[in-house]
Amino acid sequence: TQLLEQSPQFLSIQEGENLTVYCNSSSVFSSLQWYRQEPGEGPVLLVTVVTGGEVKKLKRLTFQFGDARKDSSLHITAAQPGDTGLYLCAGLISTQGGSEKLVFGKGTKLTVNP
Amino acid sequence: KAGVTQTPRYLIKTRGQQVTLSCSPISGHRSVSWYQQTPGQGLQFLFEYFSETQRNKGNFPGRFSGRQFSNSRSEMNVSTLELGDSALYLCASSLGPSGRAGIQETQYFGPGTRLLVL
Repeated sequence: TQLLEQSPQFLSIQEGENLTVYCNSSSVFSSLQWYRQEPGEGPVLLVTVVTGGEVKKLKRLTFQFGDARKDSSLHITAAQPGDTGLYLCAGLISTQGGSEKLVFGKGTKLTVNP
Repeated sequence: KAGVTQTPRYLIKTRGQQVTLSCSPISGHRSVSWYQQTPGQGLQFLFEYFSETQRNKGNFPGRFSGRQFSNSRSEMNVSTLELGDSALYLCASSLGPSGRAGIQETQYFGPGTRLLVL
């Protein structure tokens, strides 16, 4: 069972279009992160959201953390070919040992066509 | 500052063999985490090391093991390889361990080692 569900799994759009990808769970997270991964590379952190209802903007990317800290969304305005990549959300959860670990969604593979 | 480096980048093994992957964290980082990434399961947490001690372990069989050295470099080992172990193995380093005092340390990922088991 996947703790974090991302949708859509695949998204192919034209340059200039807007898009939103979602990250949902039935669990509460102390924080949630978004990463972008390009072929042949490891994921690169885009943003961390901590407070329920928090909205963060990174140029054309807008990230929102749900009020209940169970879900998040990533909105891209006027997508560009350089936005192509695998977008991953990851949530921080507590473990039985008292520490915390990151769990990842399977990702949304975005292709922006010129 | 050099990023996280992983060696080798590509590896082909056959079933039943064992493999050791290496990860050198960013200078000054003391925490190293390992992840397995496959198309079907996505990124799954293997284990985390901090100051040569394993802090966290994911739900993987005992064939998967790791260790961290005093210079923070880390290795992971997979024994008795199975076809399903074919994956991209990613290492990530951070200054401190995850979840310390409620703070999520930023993890910096290496490019990964792509393992193919035939």
